[in-house]
Amino acid sequence: GAVVSQHPSWVICKSGTSVKIECRSLDFQATTMFWYRQFPKQSLMLMATSNEGSKATYEQGVEKDKFLINHASLTLSTLTVTSAHPEDSSFYICSARGPSAGGVDTQYFGPGTRLTVL
Amino acid sequence: QQQVKQSPQSLIVQKGGISIINCAYENTAFDYFPWYQQFPGKGPALLIAIRPDVSEKKEGRFTISFNKSAKQFSLHIMDSQPGDSATYFCAASIRVRVGRGSTLGRLYFGRGTQLTVWP
Repeated sequence: GAVVSQHPSWVICKSGTSVKIECRSLDFQATTMFWYRQFPKQSLMLMATSNEGSKATYEQGVEKDKFLINHASLTLSTLTVTSAHPEDSSFYICSARGPSAGGVDTQYFGPGTRLTVL
Repeated sequence: QQQVKQSPQSLIVQKGGISIINCAYENTAFDYFPWYQQFPGKGPALLIAIRPDVSEKKEGRFTISFNKSAKQFSLHIMDSQPGDSATYFCAASIRVRVGRGSTLGRLYFGRGTQLTVWP
């Protein structure tokens, strides 16, 4: 249980185009989803927190007009990288706040999306 | 500022040996400490977690030791296997208010430890 999927698993796009990444909770409802970014051999950096039906909360330094987040339903959140540039190339990982484990709300992570901007 | 400090950055262990990864934190408001395992090109998977009112938690070959006074916690992998070769992240969770009286846990991750287990 508590499976999170992401689509696509990898994407290559030209500079200046927009790319949409989907994050789905497959067997549970997630009122809150998180978007992380991970550079090679580095840790996960939280970009934003999205709550179903409301605006996302972005971390300091993350451009909300560049990284558009929509949490339209209890099982789907999307991240759109607008006007992508090579420096946006990264591994994007979502997580969903799922069933508690040991009385603590737990984040379940998706498999990630590798974005390469040429 | 790194909220959670993790060491070592890389670790090489022989098959059957014990792998030990250490983490430290400063913020006493952290109330949940999970460990994640990540294979190349995959998302992190929850491995084991502990709350600060417990000093040790064991699940199979994986054990978390937690020292609240020292603000340190560690992951021990007993009888390490080549299949354990992965990157391990410690994390700490803090409650943040999200409006209407509700809170949720926000995770802060360590920098990761790349574990290699030689056969």
